[in-house]
Amino acid sequence: GAVVSQHPSRVICKSGTSVKIECRSLDFQATTMFWYRQFPKKSLMLMATSNEGSKATYEQGVEKDKFLINHASLTLSTLTVTSAHPEDSSFYICSASTLAGALSDTQYFGPGTRLTVL
Amino acid sequence: GENVEQHPSTLSVQEGDSAVIKCTYSDSASNYFPWYKQELGKGPQLIIDIRSNVGEKKDQRIAVTLNKTAKHFSLHITETQPEDSAVYFCAATLVSASKIIFGSGTRLSIRP
Repeated sequence: GAVVSQHPSRVICKSGTSVKIECRSLDFQATTMFWYRQFPKKSLMLMATSNEGSKATYEQGVEKDKFLINHASLTLSTLTVTSAHPEDSSFYICSASTLAGALSDTQYFGPGTRLTVL
Repeated sequence: GENVEQHPSTLSVQEGDSAVIKCTYSDSASNYFPWYKQELGKGPQLIIDIRSNVGEKKDQRIAVTLNKTAKHFSLHITETQPEDSAVYFCAATLVSASKIIFGSGTRLSIRP
């Protein structure tokens, strides 16, 4: 149980285009979903937290107009990187938990999406 | 600010030996401490977690200990195998911000 999928696993796009990444909880309802960014050989950096049906909470320094997050249902959250540039190239990982917030519940991670912006 | 420190950054052990990774946290209100294993090009996988009302938890070759007084917790892997080679991350809840803070990771290599 507790499987989280991401699509696509890899995407290459041209500078200036927008890219959408989907995160789905396959066998449980995710009250809260998280989006992380990971640079090579580095730890996970939380970008934003989203609760189903409400606006995402972004971490300091993360541009909410550039990284659009939508959590429309209890099993799906999307991250859209708008007007992507080469510096947005990274490994994006989502996670999901069954309770509101991360205080006492486990986060289950997706397999990640490798974004390369040319 | 609130953070989680993890040591060592790299660890190489002989197959069959034990590996220990240590973490310290700063938020005394933290109450949940998961450990994740990440293989190259994949997402983190939860391998074990411990909550603040427990001092130790074991699952086959993996164990985690928690010392709330000292604010540190450790991952112990016994009888290491080649498939244990990966990057391991510890994490702790940041209660005031309702999120989890990750350590910097430990790259574990198992020598055959």
